Amino acid sequence: DAGVIQSPRHEVTEMGQEVTLRCKPISGHDYLFWYRQTMMRGLELLIYFNNNVPIDDSGMPEDRFSAKMPNASFSTLKIQPSEPRDSAVYFCASSLRGGRARSGEQFFGPGTRLTVL
Amino acid sequence: AQTVTQSQPEMSVQEAETVTLSCTYDTSESDYYLFWYKQPPSRQMILVIRQEAYKQQNATENRFSVNFQKAAKSFSLKISDSQLGDAAMYFCAYRSSGYGNEKLTFGTGTRLTIIP
Repeated sequence: DAGVIQSPRHEVTEMGQEVTLRCKPISGHDYLFWYRQTMMRGLELLIYFNNNVPIDDSGMPEDRFSAKMPNASFSTLKIQPSEPRDSAVYFCASSLRGGRARSGEQFFGPGTRLTVL
Repeated sequence: AQTVTQSQPEMSVQEAETVTLSCTYDTSESDYYLFWYKQPPSRQMILVIRQEAYKQQNATENRFSVNFQKAAKSFSLKISDSQLGDAAMYFCAYRSSGYGNEKLTFGTGTRLTIIP
């Protein structure tokens, strides 16, 4: 299995530009998560999907951020317009549904390092 | 809401020695899962070990083992025979076992340095 795939690995853009981050989860996983990691705030959950449906977007910082999952094998996180404070590493993770006898561990992608100038 | 606390921002250990990273958590639930993730300089998040709260036996994965103290809400990670490749940030994480509760709550991490 190729694991969770994210693209691009690095993105440098100027303030005000639109940024789109992409994620392909592990085949068969029914949960997908978007995280943001910064030195100041650590690892933050932005949003997660179950079977392509957004379940909890309470971590999305503001309306400039949006996420979609049009099918089971693809998700995007879009920032429009981008600002310097959005500079961070963005991770995508996927998992199988957890429960009493299944840990529901999350498998992370390699992350996208975003720099907004 | 659950919280996870890692009180050691940084730790160091001599190569081949043993080191223990601390993690405490706060929850009112009786059934849950705990994880340790490793994040090396490559920044890839890698699952190191997991523990089911309903199991009394401490989990072990090769050189990695945990000391799970449910009553004390403590979940420490012991790394034996430390190797240079163990240098990384280590994150403790909590997940409720209930259906639909898929969120992970992470601690702030401990940066582990291996001294050659």
